[in-house]
Amino acid sequence: EAQVTQNPRYLITVTGKKLTVTCSQNMNHEYMSWYRQDPGLGLRQIYYSMNVEVTDKGDVPEGYKVSRKEKRNFPLILESPSPNQTSLYFCASSNRGAHEQFFGPGTRLTVL
Amino acid sequence: QKEVEQNSGPLSVPEGAIASLNCTYSDRGSQSFFWYRQYSGKSPELIMSIYSNGDKEDGRFTAQLNKASQYVSLLIRDSQPSDSATYLCAVKDPEGLDLNRLAFGKGNQVVVIP
Repeated sequence: EAQVTQNPRYLITVTGKKLTVTCSQNMNHEYMSWYRQDPGLGLRQIYYSMNVEVTDKGDVPEGYKVSRKEKRNFPLILESPSPNQTSLYFCASSNRGAHEQFFGPGTRLTVL
Repeated sequence: QKEVEQNSGPLSVPEGAIASLNCTYSDRGSQSFFWYRQYSGKSPELIMSIYSNGDKEDGRFTAQLNKASQYVSLLIRDSQPSDSATYLCAVKDPEGLDLNRLAFGKGNQVVVIP
């Protein structure tokens, strides 16, 4: 089944404790992206990757890192999480230049 | 930054009625427009795309695009309780390095009342 998976789905952590949210897709998509979704603010892009070893900042990259060492994986790293990073996070993938993005199931992160 | 506006508050419609959602965008050069549906606690899923002025119909959904006025709308005919969700308008950014970039509106919640 073609899909985008994210882990963990739910995470409660404390300020300053490094964490990684994994994202993996099995559709051989070149493009992957991370979004955060907050009430009243909608979906905002954090980082994106056009292909392996090619990443760039989206609209709200502060406090986040990403890497793209393999085509299928695009982890989101929070080196020192803060409460303002409490949010619902979505990973998405698509073929380069394609119109539809396929979203993962989401990761609900709470930083205390 | 490109802006996509969805200003309507939650929309309550009786079952069987038509739900109408509107979206305006700021970049006159935008060419590709999408509607995503998002159920509570779930991820967005694409339900409609439209690229040319006019109407595009897919089942009970109709997308309407007016590039001169810079708006795109979504009509849901014969609304069903299963249509209760948040609908996100998305516009593909015509410029920049990110060829897949989408700018999303904040969404409109639709509640279909049986």
